[in-house]
Amino acid sequence: EVQLVESGGGLVQPGGSLRLSCAASGFTFSNYWMSWVRQAPGKGLEWVANIREDGSEIYYVDSLKGRFTISRDNAKNSVYLQMNSLRAEDTAVYYCARERAYNYGLFDSWGQGTLVTVSS
Amino acid sequence: DIHMTQSPSTLSASVGDRVTITCRASQSISKWLAWYHQKPGKAPELLIYKTSSLESGVPSRFSGSGDGTEFTLTISSLQPDDFATYYCQQYNNHSPYTFGQGTKLEIK
Repeated sequence: EVQLVESGGGLVQPGGSLRLSCAASGFTFSNYWMSWVRQAPGKGLEWVANIREDGSEIYYVDSLKGRFTISRDNAKNSVYLQMNSLRAEDTAVYYCARERAYNYGLFDSWGQGTLVTVSS
Repeated sequence: DIHMTQSPSTLSASVGDRVTITCRASQSISKWLAWYHQKPGKAPELLIYKTSSLESGVPSRFSGSGDGTEFTLTISSLQPDDFATYYCQQYNNHSPYTFGQGTKLEIK
């Protein structure tokens, strides 16, 4: 069974940093692109970033470039999201999601999400 | 970026009703359109991909159609478990992937 488990969320002050982790199991992690998708409270879904199977390609939504960094460790079956210079508008549940093989951008498995709250 | 617009934003319906949700893309996305549903406090779940292909395990009362810029999700006979928020998403280009704003399906 595919499982994605996010961790690392919490309360952080504006301007602070946070590193989210997503631990994958139940599939061959190194064969899949992985994404982060976020959802502000009461709002819709926003794709944040993704990373190729071997980490050689990375994409971000334009509005977050320079502040967020996605990375992965295939030996640990994990994908990460380093978030710097956090703002109130970054408050959201952050989901990691697996992209279906050969269907880039199709999210066929999701974690339960981790809540990030940016507030003083 | 490709902008996705869903309508309606809220839909009230009864068990057994047939309902349709529309999704429009700001430019052609061929058939690279997916539908998800999300229940409160839960992660989204994939229902339909490539416009009309049903994800494994999804009931056949769900169907999708469309091409280019206009797409629909139809539920042929609403069941109690179907009341949720539905999102369309385009995955035509490598990035950025974009979602519609959501359609909340409520019990009438």
